[in-house]
Amino acid sequence: NAGVTQTPKFQVLKTGQSMTLQCAQDMNHEYMSWYRQDPGMGLRLIHYSVGAGITDQGEVPNGYNVSRSTTEDFPLRLLSAAPSQTSVYFCASAWRDEQFFGPGTRLTVL
Amino acid sequence: KNEVEQSPQNLTAQEGEFITINCSYSVGISALHWLQQHPGGGIVSLFMLSSGKKKHGRLIATINIQEKHSSLHITASHPRDSAVYTCAVREPYNTNAGKSTFGDGTTLTVKP
Repeated sequence: NAGVTQTPKFQVLKTGQSMTLQCAQDMNHEYMSWYRQDPGMGLRLIHYSVGAGITDQGEVPNGYNVSRSTTEDFPLRLLSAAPSQTSVYFCASAWRDEQFFGPGTRLTVL
Repeated sequence: KNEVEQSPQNLTAQEGEFITINCSYSVGISALHWLQQHPGGGIVSLFMLSSGKKKHGRLIATINIQEKHSSLHITASHPRDSAVYTCAVREPYNTNAGKSTFGDGTTLTVKP
């Protein structure tokens, strides 16, 4: 199993650009989530999904959209990037109480 | 007040010292995770606890459900233990869809 994969690993955007961060898992986990990690702060939940076709907002959802058309994929879309969205983004999947993290995407918005 | 509080925020130790990181939480949980992240690295789950104590090599994690408190201990610390250690609590599916809440992390530096 590849586990949780994320692409790209690094991305630089200009303010106002849009892009999609990809996340996929091959463990057939129902629960998937996106977090952002900022210096000096813990991981903060952006959006999560408890199964295909079901998504919900987390703690910091503004400026981000998600969809879950399949169990495997959970892309995160930045609609109009802002410098405040400069962060490291982690995708995770979970089964029962086990949680698995992707390697992260480091995003810089200029 | 954060739902998950960790202490200390930063910790510097000499190689060989015994280290303790504490985590207190205020919500009902189904499990608590201790996570490790080396500088520039990914997030690794060290332990998942719902009761009692677990040991893996030099790492020991304990949880007291009644007191809503967990500790992570590192015995005979080594410079390669230098990392950020984060406590994360997972809420039950029937109350909050299994969401996880994270502490702010403890930055550990072990000096040779």
